[in-house]
Amino acid sequence: DTGVSQNPRHKITKRGQNVTFRCDPISEHNRLYWYRQTLGQGPEFLTYFQNEAQLEKSRLLSDRFSAERPKGSFSTLEIQRTEQGDSAMYLCASSLVDSSYEQYFGPGTRLTVT
Amino acid sequence: QKEVEQNSGPLSVPEGAIASLNCTYSDRGSQSFFWYRQYSGKSPELIMSIYSNGDKEDGRFTAQLNKASQYVSLLIRDSQPSDSATYLCASNHSGAGSYQLTFGKGTKLSVIP
Repeated sequence: DTGVSQNPRHKITKRGQNVTFRCDPISEHNRLYWYRQTLGQGPEFLTYFQNEAQLEKSRLLSDRFSAERPKGSFSTLEIQRTEQGDSAMYLCASSLVDSSYEQYFGPGTRLTVT
Repeated sequence: QKEVEQNSGPLSVPEGAIASLNCTYSDRGSQSFFWYRQYSGKSPELIMSIYSNGDKEDGRFTAQLNKASQYVSLLIRDSQPSDSATYLCASNHSGAGSYQLTFGKGTKLSVIP
């Protein structure tokens, strides 16, 4: 399977703990995106990388959130001092650098903060 | 504020009928438009992309774009129960050097056998 992969698929954590999610994009894709989706809403953009450079960040990305993409391969999204409002599905997508702008999503990581 | 609006539904159609899903967007600079299908508990799956005015057909799916009216639609012909899902409309303002997608809340489609 050469699609986008995400780990873990589910994470339950207590409020105040730190969590880290990993995303492995489609191998030839050099753009990688993070989105967050809550029940009944469409995905909301968080940040995106082109290769290892983080080029765009949403205002939704508070200072408790940090994302990295070392060496332009996989990416990690860390949430520090989690809050109950962080409970959501965290989605990673990847795309080629071409004119289609088509983004392909991974299965997501469902975070529950208790 | 860039917005994409969709009727949340549910939209119910009988099996074999045409399902028509609609979407409007507020940002006139939007250049690329996408339809994603999302089954309950799963992630979005890209089913159609459209970039220029007119129709684009792919199998049972037809996407329609009217930039003057800021309107995008998706037609699903010969609807099947397996088409029952939430359909997300998304736009991209790539001309501004931004590659983020702005999504609507989705329309829930139910195909009745």
